Amino acid sequence: DAGITQSPRHKVTETGTPVTLRCHQTENHRYMYWYRQDPGHGLRLIHYSYGVKDTDKGEVSDGYSVSRSKTEDFLLTLESATSSQTSVYFCAISESSDRLTLYGYTFGSGTRLTVV
Amino acid sequence: GQNIDQPTEMTATEGAIVQINCTYQTSGFNGLFWYQQHAGEAPTFLSYNVLDGLEEKGRFSSFLSRSKGYSYLLLKELQMKDSASYLCAAAELDSSYKLIFGSGTRLLVRP
Repeated sequence: DAGITQSPRHKVTETGTPVTLRCHQTENHRYMYWYRQDPGHGLRLIHYSYGVKDTDKGEVSDGYSVSRSKTEDFLLTLESATSSQTSVYFCAISESSDRLTLYGYTFGSGTRLTVV
Repeated sequence: GQNIDQPTEMTATEGAIVQINCTYQTSGFNGLFWYQQHAGEAPTFLSYNVLDGLEEKGRFSSFLSRSKGYSYLLLKELQMKDSASYLCAAAELDSSYKLIFGSGTRLLVRP
């Protein structure tokens, strides 16, 4: 299985504070994604990366920024956390179209973020 | 953009067969994925269809009709451990390999 870890696993933070979530992979996969999962909405794409320093917005990117300075790390930052950003955040990785069709994304275990 | 619809909840009996439907509307389509997600865990890959027809993998099968924008996941010989959410996801037709997910169908398997 691909090595992908998310940290922290759980976090409680106060409204207005900055928060950074980390996704780390040991598989040298090119593509990395951040999703959030909320009841009734399923998984929604926040940002994704197709290489070092190459990132783009997903469908729910407002209030979030990302950075990818190394292949193995993809950081998601909430500049000023709001209660609406309380969610479970999943990172996913993928290598190529062939691997994607055979194995799909590999997901991290998720980060449960609560903004109070 | 893409819109993906699937039922919110389904209930079935252990040993039975259940079919979970998914309809999609896309501006560019590059295949349909199914994932399984147990409560509190990450989604895991079940299947991928890009051509019309049925793909079988053991107790699980997935069907796609591109002309109808329709897919289903068929689970046979249901087991209690199949109680989970099942996520339908469409791949976009570009080089980003982005997946757009439906809201998921929560399946409860009863004894």
